[in-house]
Amino acid sequence: QVQLQESGPGLVKPSQTLSLTCTVSGGSISSSTHYWSWIRQRPGKGLEWIGYIYFSGSTNYNPSLKSRVTMSVDTSKNHFSLKVTSVTAADTAVYYCARETPLYTNSPGFFDYWGQGTLVTVSS
Amino acid sequence: DIQMTQSPSSLSASVGDRVTITCRAGQHIRNILNWYQHKPGKAPKLLIYSASTLQSGVPSRFSGSGSGTDFTLTISSLQPEDFATYYCQQSYTTPYTFGQGTEVEIK
Repeated sequence: QVQLQESGPGLVKPSQTLSLTCTVSGGSISSSTHYWSWIRQRPGKGLEWIGYIYFSGSTNYNPSLKSRVTMSVDTSKNHFSLKVTSVTAADTAVYYCARETPLYTNSPGFFDYWGQGTLVTVSS
Repeated sequence: DIQMTQSPSSLSASVGDRVTITCRAGQHIRNILNWYQHKPGKAPKLLIYSASTLQSGVPSRFSGSGSGTDFTLTISSLQPEDFATYYCQQSYTTPYTFGQGTEVEIK
């Protein structure tokens, strides 16, 4: 059974960098099949896709956050990471990592495994 | 971005009720539409993908339909464990977008 677990600081100061890691167990992040996403939910709001990374390191970011987001992958540790720079209170959210499985090769897919989420609060 | 609009935003229903949630996409997305169930403090759970395909392990009381811009999630007989928030999501194109959610509450 694939499991994903987010980890990182729960409190970040404004203007600093938010850093989170998602550790994958029960499956390999080096799978050529899957993409690995970050999704967030701000208080009282719906879900917002931040972007994904492939095991090769290729990425696709939401244009709304692209200038501040960097994702990376470490296949040796079977985890992938998210950095968001210059955070403000608007970045306060529960952050989820999720695995995307395409319907078939190079096709759209669905998020079939998610982490439980981690709350990150931006406050001084 | 493709806007996804769900209705209603919340509903109250009783155990055994038939519940229908609709999702409208801002442009045609063929059948590239997924549904998730989300309970507080838990990981969202995939229910249906490609508009109508039931994810493995999901009870058959859940079903999905639709294509193009209009989609429906139906729970044929609501069970106590189904009280949650439900989201639709398009993966037709990036950035992927979600509906605002429909909270299903106990009447």
